Order: sequence, then structure tokens, then C-alpha cells
Amino acid sequence: GAGVSQSPSNKVTEKGKDVELRCDPISGHTALYWYRQSLGQGLEFLIYFQGNSAPDKSGLPSDRFSAERTGGSVSTLTIQRTQQEDSAVYLCASSLEGDYGYTFGSGTRLTVV
Amino acid sequence: GESVGLHLPTLSVQEGDNSIINCAYSNSASDYFIWYKQESGKGPQFIIDIRSNMDKRQGQRVTVLLNKTVKHLSLQIAATQPGDSAVYFCAEISINAGNMLTFGGGTRLMVKP
Repeated sequence: GAGVSQSPSNKVTEKGKDVELRCDPISGHTALYWYRQSLGQGLEFLIYFQGNSAPDKSGLPSDRFSAERTGGSVSTLTIQRTQQEDSAVYLCASSLEGDYGYTFGSGTRLTVV
Repeated sequence: GESVGLHLPTLSVQEGDNSIINCAYSNSASDYFIWYKQESGKGPQFIIDIRSNMDKRQGQRVTVLLNKTVKHLSLQIAATQPGDSAVYFCAEISINAGNMLTFGGGTRLMVKP
């Protein structure tokens, strides 16, 4: 597609429920990144996929967070047993290998009540 | 750990004036720096980048300056316009330390008409 697409744009969930956030990167982009942005804060790295290599999961805050990327394209970020501190905007970005000017999606705003 | 941060959380300027947004970084091994602009409800948008072997780079109405001696990065916006109102983030990457951008905390630029 023309840009990075994320869905849903907004998600309200009850504490303890699981949520799945979806990212459709730009076609042909081999690198895909997930970041988290809390209100009024900067971007916190979560996980990075590059081609068929093992993902860099060093930014995942706990084992409740996981992500996968199927077929080198679409990625899903899953948060299990959501907590109120998980409330944030989750941003996905993609890029060509070696290109550090990531293209970001508009994010999914997650609210845990 | 290594971090990227900003001096001023909010900058208010008059339309038509020049704006300067500053950023301090701590990782002397950073290879590459990028400025992003984030408007409300949107993901960050690439503005301009600079490699660590450069000290200045110019774009359309924007200039990035890099001072490696004091680990300081700045973004200059000429003739600031209302459309420039946004939050600006600096980001850095150290290629040998992982292939993801590390973001600073952001500066909000407000342009007064």
C-alpha cells in the first residue's frame, strides 16, 4: 500500500483481556518496527523484524507482550492480560533494509479500563 | 543506558520567525541522527537526517546541525509557519549496537499567528 496501515485506530479493553494490534507495512519493506508512546512521552522501542532473521525482542517490557510477522509482511502485536499501564499509542514503522528513515503508521491508541 | 533527550519541552514562536529545537545525546558511537515531526493523532514523519561524519545538512526550510564535541543536535526551521506546529523528536542509531532508532522525549513547537 501507499503507507503503513495500523488497525484498529482505537481500542478500549478491560483489564485482564488480551488484545491484538495489526500492522500492514509498505509493500517491499523488509524491516518492521513496533514502538510504544505513552501520553506526552517519546517513543519506546518494543520489537524489530528484518527479513527472515530472528526478531530483536529486546524492548518488550514483559512476557505478556509478543509479536509475530507472517510471510514477511503483516505483523501482529499481542498483549496478554492487559494492565492499565499498557495504555498507550502503539506505533508501527517499516523501512527498506539499511534505510533508517522509517515510515510510521498513525498508531493504535490502546486504553485499558 | 545510552539515551537521547531534549532541552526544552515547549517552544513558542511567532509566525515568520526562525525556530531552533535542541537535542542532547549521550551515545558517542551514534552513526546517524534523524529529526521527526509528529502532528496530533498521527505517527512521526521523517524531516531530515544527518550522518555522524557531517556537521550540517540543509533541506527545504530546515537545517540540522551536529556538534559531536558536545553531543548536541539542533533543528532549525526558517520562517516558521502555523503548519509547523507539532512535536519534534530527535532520534539516533548506532548501527553496531542494534538496528533500531532511539528517540528523545520530544519538543512541542507552537506557532503563534
